[in-house]
Amino acid sequence: GQQVMQIPQYQHVQEGEDFTTYCNSSTTLSNIQWYKQRPGGHPVFLIQLVKSGEVKKQKRLTFQFGEAKKNSSLHITATQTTDVGTYFCAGRDSGTYKYIFGTGTRLKVLA
Amino acid sequence: GAVVSQHPSRVICKSGTSVKIECRSLDFQATTMFWYRQFPKQSLMLMATSNEGSKATYEQGVEKDKFLINHASLTLSTLTVTSAHPEDSSFYICSAMGLANEQYFGPGTRLTVT
Repeated sequence: GQQVMQIPQYQHVQEGEDFTTYCNSSTTLSNIQWYKQRPGGHPVFLIQLVKSGEVKKQKRLTFQFGEAKKNSSLHITATQTTDVGTYFCAGRDSGTYKYIFGTGTRLKVLA
Repeated sequence: GAVVSQHPSRVICKSGTSVKIECRSLDFQATTMFWYRQFPKQSLMLMATSNEGSKATYEQGVEKDKFLINHASLTLSTLTVTSAHPEDSSFYICSAMGLANEQYFGPGTRLTVT
């Protein structure tokens, strides 16, 4: 079945450093979504990418969808302590209606 | 913004009893809701897709007779864990799908079976 992997699993950065998490699917995706889950909280929708090669920005966050629509990345510039949490990608397989969540990347930001 | 509530937030039950968890979309109608299970420090595992007015679609390995899902209205889906056992203890979280296929998650329900 469809698998969605994320690397790294954990990342500790100093405040102000950049951070990137990568998402890779075993199958071609119709679209991909990104979510953030704070410790003790529930996932919160960040963005959806649909087009091959699409790049979207939200303030310090840059999201990219690969040309082959099998991978994606989230880059945070100049991390802040408020960026702490687990970032999940969720890929929608081209042939189904459901989203499969990636394994997640847990980010810690050291002040 | 879209708000999804879950009730209860925490529940402790004895082995062999059943527990019902409610998921409500408070300010929008959701034809489709999803139920996930999340173990500590792990990802969300999709259990089933709940469609209003029809039977839920379960993922492989999820027992439909153990995890009963009912989506009786456009704002309410329920998950009933029947004959709960300690291995069913987990964090159960629902989501409601918005118009652009984004998911709005409820705050989750922590189930502990003793």
